[in-house]
Order: sequence, then C-alpha cells, then structure tokens
Amino acid sequence: SSELTQDPAVSVALGQTVRITCQGDSLTKNYASWYRQKPGQAPVLVLYGKNSRPSGIPDRFSGSTSGNTSSLTITGAQAEDEADYFCNSQDSSDSNVIFGGGTKLTVL
Amino acid sequence: EVQLVESGGGLVQPGGSLRLSCAASGITFSTFRMHWVRQAPGKGLVWVSSINSDGDSGNHADSVKGRFTISRDNARKTLSLHMNNLRLEDTGVYYCTRGNWNTRGYKYFDPWGQGTQVIVSS
Repeated sequence: SSELTQDPAVSVALGQTVRITCQGDSLTKNYASWYRQKPGQAPVLVLYGKNSRPSGIPDRFSGSTSGNTSSLTITGAQAEDEADYFCNSQDSSDSNVIFGGGTKLTVL
Repeated sequence: EVQLVESGGGLVQPGGSLRLSCAASGITFSTFRMHWVRQAPGKGLVWVSSINSDGDSGNHADSVKGRFTISRDNARKTLSLHMNNLRLEDTGVYYCTRGNWNTRGYKYFDPWGQGTQVIVSS
C-alpha cells in the first residue's frame, strides 16, 4: 500500500508525554520524516531518519520505528508544541513520495 | 539567511494556466533535488512534483501528470512549476522545498518556503 495513516487528533496534558504514530508499508523500507505545521505557517522539519533532529528542535522530540509504524514522541509537551504533525516517506528513487493525513495535537 | 520564496500564485479560472516560481537564497541549491508540495484548504500535505539536481528529470504525481511541468535554473537558483489546464481541485497553497538525502540514506524536506496561494475558481 502507498498510504501513511495517522490518527486525526491527539491531546496531551501540559508537561506530559505524547506519541504520534504513522503507519504504512513503505515504513518497512524507508525511515519517516516528521513535520510540524502551525496555523498559517509553512511546515517545519522536526525529525528524520532513525532519530535525528535538525538544529533548533528541542530534545524533547524523539523518534522510533517498529515494523510498519513510525512514532514521534514529545516528552514533556509544551504549549508551543500544539500544531499539526505530518509524517512523510520517500523511496530511494523519489517515485513514491507520500505524506500521512496529519495529526492535530492539542496541549491541554 | 536560509530562504525559499515562492511567487506566482493567484486566482485563475478552470482550464487556465499559472507559473509558480521559487527563489532560493542562503542555501545550496544546484546539488539538491527540489520539490513542490501542495495543501488544499484545511487538508494535509500532498507531494506534487520533483526535479533532479541537473534539471533533466522530473517526476509528477498522477493527479497532475500531463498538466504540470517542473523546471529549474541553477544559475539563477530558481525552481518553477508550469501549471496548465487547472482544475478546481488544484486549489491550495503550493510550497517549494529542498529534498535532502544524507550519508546515512535518510531523506527529508528542509527548508520550506512560505507558500503561494493558488485559487482555481470560475
């Protein structure tokens, strides 16, 4: 299947830990990358590869993969983490580039 | 400052054409694959097109194949998307983004432009 499935919405209490998942067959061959998007703004890369963060992304963001599921974990969620999160998979030939439907994270 | 700046969006009637541009500054452009990704109002991200670093090989999503053409000018650090025969469902914000592929084989999009709005409506 060439789809990535995400839960539409997830909520977390301030300071608690939340996991956002992304499921799809392509994740058994390719690592996912993750993007945060706040309303009216462009997406921003937050995680890629096995568990790599770009500079400027706090270490409370971490990633993992098991089978066909990739996870983004926020340990100690902050109010500023409230956003939409999208996963992405790209194969080596760039002929199959897919995004998950996105997860809206609410920080309570 | 690292920047990708899109332009060229606007209101167009169904069947019409638009040319989007993306100007890069502060980043290495010529050795990276570049992509267009779009987002319909209230919806998720959808990959549209990509082009290799030399500019001689482009890929397009099935939904735009035969209607959209991606191109680049490495000397001017500019990416373009020529959109013909536009449909209502092409409405959305179009982002350009650089495709990265590091030594570990990890692939990701970074940075992203701020996007340009395309509205297809009669």
